Amino acid sequence: DTGVSQNPRHKITKRGQNVTFRCDPISEHNRLYWYRQTLGQGPEFLTYFQNEAQLEKSRLLSDRFSAERPKGSFSTLEIQRTEQGDSAMYLCASSFLTGATDTQYFGPGTRLTVL
Amino acid sequence: GQQVMQIPQYQHVQEGEDFTTYCNSSTTLSNIQWYKQRPGGHPVFLIQLVKSGEVKKQKRLTFQFGEAKKNSSLHITATQTTDVGTYFCAGAMDSNYQLIWGAGTKLIIKP
Repeated sequence: DTGVSQNPRHKITKRGQNVTFRCDPISEHNRLYWYRQTLGQGPEFLTYFQNEAQLEKSRLLSDRFSAERPKGSFSTLEIQRTEQGDSAMYLCASSFLTGATDTQYFGPGTRLTVL
Repeated sequence: GQQVMQIPQYQHVQEGEDFTTYCNSSTTLSNIQWYKQRPGGHPVFLIQLVKSGEVKKQKRLTFQFGEAKKNSSLHITATQTTDVGTYFCAGAMDSNYQLIWGAGTKLIIKP
């Protein structure tokens, strides 16, 4: 399967703990996005990378959140000192920007539950 | 800020009835994309519209992009149970083509 993969699929943690999620995009895709989605809502943009450069980060995003894409391939999203409000599905998407096209392909997501 | 408004939030239909969802942008879009998310799943790309006034069809689904490239619609004819899910529009507004997502319209088939 050459789609976007995310690990772990589920994570349960206690408030105050740090968690890290991984996303492996479709090979050769130059863009990688992180979104957060809660029940009944659309994807909420968190940040995105073009190759290894982090080009934008949501202004609403707490500084407890950090993301990396060190070699322009896989990416990690870390949440420090988790809070119950961080409980959500974290979605990763990748795309290959060509001209005006930036079709995003989503992974299955990591569901985070903070107790 | 830049926004894409999508209505309605929910639409309940009898199987066989039609379904429509609408998106409106506060600014001109360079393109608009539509995604479908099944319950418990992740968004899946359906189609992209780029040209002013563009209309595209996929079987029972018809997608339109407004002349001013500020609005779009998705119409499903004769809904089936397999159509159940949430339909999202996502517009690209500026030179980096980052998508701005609508809140989605949930299609519910009445039992």
